[in-house]
This record gives sequence, structure tokens and C-alpha cells, in this order.
Amino acid sequence: GAVVSQHPSRVICKSGTSVKIECRSLDFQATTMFWYRQFPKQSLMLMATSNEGSKATYEQGVEKDKFLINHASLTLSTLTVTSAHPEDSSFYICSASPWGYREEKLFFGSGTQLSVL
Amino acid sequence: KQEVTQIPAALSVPEGENLVLNCSFTDSAIYNLQWFRQDPGKGLTSLLLIQSSQREQTSGRLNASLDKSSGRSTLYIAASQPGDSATYLCAVMSSGSARQLTFGSGTQLTVLP
Repeated sequence: GAVVSQHPSRVICKSGTSVKIECRSLDFQATTMFWYRQFPKQSLMLMATSNEGSKATYEQGVEKDKFLINHASLTLSTLTVTSAHPEDSSFYICSASPWGYREEKLFFGSGTQLSVL
Repeated sequence: KQEVTQIPAALSVPEGENLVLNCSFTDSAIYNLQWFRQDPGKGLTSLLLIQSSQREQTSGRLNASLDKSSGRSTLYIAASQPGDSATYLCAVMSSGSARQLTFGSGTQLTVLP
């Protein structure tokens, strides 16, 4: 099956710093990738849809100036948490689907656990 | 707006039991429904995907059913094992949603040896 690689798997940083998370589709091209966030004991919530070559689409309540998304190529999307604060501590996970994949099945990265001190 | 609910939130069973996890969704205009497994601090493992035109899918000891008209899906796990302990998530891809998934809050399963 298709593979989505996400790095880093865990980040611990001080409040006020910026953190970049990478999501790569290893063996397929993805014009669209999705970023989800999961707080402890809660389910995954869609944050934004990353579109190759254009601006990301953010869900209601997600600050686009805080969560910068860049989808510069067909295999890479990055999420940068700018000036991170403790309330941004969460599990972030990306997903993608091969273009034209028959079942519209999404493949997920392994996630990034962000802890802001 | 699509809403997905999973019941129960947590379940603890002895090894060997058969069990059923439930998922319901509010908007029946769906493209597909997926069941995932999530281990603590880890990503998602796709277990089964059911297209809107299908009634069920099977993989090994797992069987997922879909009743689109009533907005329900079940995941049946036969002969449960301690290794099945994880959180099980149900996710719906709504029609016209451009591949976005709406997740349920999950069922945390513990299989006791």
C-alpha cells in the first residue's frame, strides 16, 4: 500500500519557538494532503487541507497565521506551528491519497507528538 | 455538518470473547466509511474500508457492516486477543467532501488475558 512518512515523531520545545512538521508521500503523488490534530482522549479533528501550489484551506477556528502550511511539491507538505504555546501541545497527523486511487482511501503518517513547555 | 458517534467509549472484555463496536453518523450522503486502529501515541492503521454501495467487508477476524440509510456501522471482532487492545476509530468520508474524513471519538478496547 501507499506510504506516508511524517517527521519528526516527537518534539519537545520551549514556549515561543516554531516547530516544523513534514509529511511526505513516498511512493505516490498527492495534490492534496490533510492535517489533523488530536488532543488527549479526544478524536482527530481536521485542521486544514493542503493543496499543492496553492493556499491551504483551514477549518473554522484554526488560526492560519499560527499554523502555516506549505505544499510546495506533489510529495511534500509541511505544517509549521509558529510561536508555539503549551495549549498547542497535541498529536498532529497528516494524511494523503494517491491521485485517482480507486477506493479514495486515505493513508496516514505516523503522527507527531508536540509538547510545548 | 456530519457528526460521527461511537459507542461505547470504552470496553473491557476477557480474551476469546466476540465483541461489537458501534458507529453512527448523521448524514447518510457518504462516499465511504473506514475503521482504524490507533495504539497509544501512534498513528492510524486502516482496518477496513466500506464503500457506500457495500454492505460489509471482512478481513481475518474483523467484519465491518454498513447500513447507510440508518446511518450505522458496526465492527465485529471475533475471538478477541490481548493484542487487539487499542482505540478503534470510525471515520466517514462524506460525499462532496473532497476526501476529508470526519472521525468518531473512538472506542478504547482492552482485552484481558
